[in-house]
Amino acid sequence: EAGVTQSPRYAVLQEGQAVSFWCDPISGHDTLYWYQQPRDQGPQLLVYFRDEAVIDNSQLPSDRFSAVRPKGTNSTLKIQSAKQGDTATYLCASSSGTGSSYEQYFGPGTRLTVL
Amino acid sequence: QQQVRQSPQSLTVWEGGTTVLTCSYEDSTFNYFPWYQQFPGEGPALLISILSVSDKKEDGRFTTFFNKREKKLSLHIIDSQPGDSATYFCAAHDTNAYKVIFGKGTHLHVLP
Repeated sequence: EAGVTQSPRYAVLQEGQAVSFWCDPISGHDTLYWYQQPRDQGPQLLVYFRDEAVIDNSQLPSDRFSAVRPKGTNSTLKIQSAKQGDTATYLCASSSGTGSSYEQYFGPGTRLTVL
Repeated sequence: QQQVRQSPQSLTVWEGGTTVLTCSYEDSTFNYFPWYQQFPGEGPALLISILSVSDKKEDGRFTTFFNKREKKLSLHIIDSQPGDSATYFCAAHDTNAYKVIFGKGTHLHVLP
């Protein structure tokens, strides 16, 4: 079974530029999460989807961040006008969301550096 | 602000020794507590988890203990190996409201 895949693995941009991150969850997983992990900190949940619906995006800086999952499979997280404070690793995770299985499977992440 | 406090921040043990990591939380609605292991350049991987209805769960060399009254949990690694050197995160979930908070992590170094 293929794991969660993310691309790109690395991104370096200047302040003010835009960037998009792409995630392909494990096949059949209906729940998808995006996390931000600053250096030497734990992951912080940004947004999560069940199928194509956003369930909670309260931690997403809505003025510059957006996330979509139009067909309930792949997802894209976009940052418009990036700031130095956005420097972090962006992790995608998925789970089956069925029964008592709460286990999340994480991708390798995209390491973003904003200069 | 809800927090999950994890300690120690960094820990060095000798090969064959026992590692103990601890976490505490505040929100009594949390009911699922996973521990993740993360190597550099990789995403976190689930190591072991426990539901709030249990007080202990074992998986090989890894055991997690949960104390609901004190709102504390711990991860014990026996016979620690150099390959266990990684960053370990505890997390607390409220599976009914879908809320999850991670600790800041413990950097574990196991010396041969």
